[in-house]
Amino acid sequence: GAGVSQSPSNKVTEKGKDVELRCDPISGHTALYWYRQSLGQGLEFLIYFQGNSAPDKSGLPSDRFSAERTGGSVSTLTIQRTQQEDSAVYLCASSLAGKSNQPQHFGDGTRLSIL
Amino acid sequence: GQNIDQPTEMTATEGAIVQINCTYQTSGFNGLFWYQQHAGEAPTFLSYNVLDGLEEKGRFSSFLSRSKGYSYLLLKELQMKDSASYLCAVIDSNYQLIWGAGTKLIIKP
Repeated sequence: GAGVSQSPSNKVTEKGKDVELRCDPISGHTALYWYRQSLGQGLEFLIYFQGNSAPDKSGLPSDRFSAERTGGSVSTLTIQRTQQEDSAVYLCASSLAGKSNQPQHFGDGTRLSIL
Repeated sequence: GQNIDQPTEMTATEGAIVQINCTYQTSGFNGLFWYQQHAGEAPTFLSYNVLDGLEEKGRFSSFLSRSKGYSYLLLKELQMKDSASYLCAVIDSNYQLIWGAGTKLIIKP
């Protein structure tokens, strides 16, 4: 696609439910990143994929968070047993290559609200 | 630890010039990005500096001094649409991207 696509754009769910967020990167981009951004705050790094592998998972806040990437393309971020503090905008970005000086290009994000 | 400092908020007048500073202390340096983020939208890439000096791109320019660990983004002929947050990000020696918290720029008529 022309840009990074994320779905859903908004998600409202009850505390304790599982949610799955999807990211479709720019075609040909081998590197994919997930970030979290709370209102008025900076970007919080979650996880980085190079191809289908995740060499850097250091930002995942707890074992309730997991992510996978298949076919070197689409990635899903799963949050199990959601908590209210998980409410934030989840941003996905992709770049031509990871561990490089290639700029990251962002999707519009998924705004997650936990009731 | 690694650290990037930017002012939290700045105010400027339409038509004027504003300079947004970014200082960094990182484990090595392999380049610096500036991104713009309008409220409720995704960050968009503005500029990349890896060598010392000024890079000009239309109304926006970005400067880098590696010896001082310092960069600035210069916005000229400010327009109301320039109201946004501006994020500085540094690539460290492991090619990890370290993000600043961003500077919220408010443009007044």
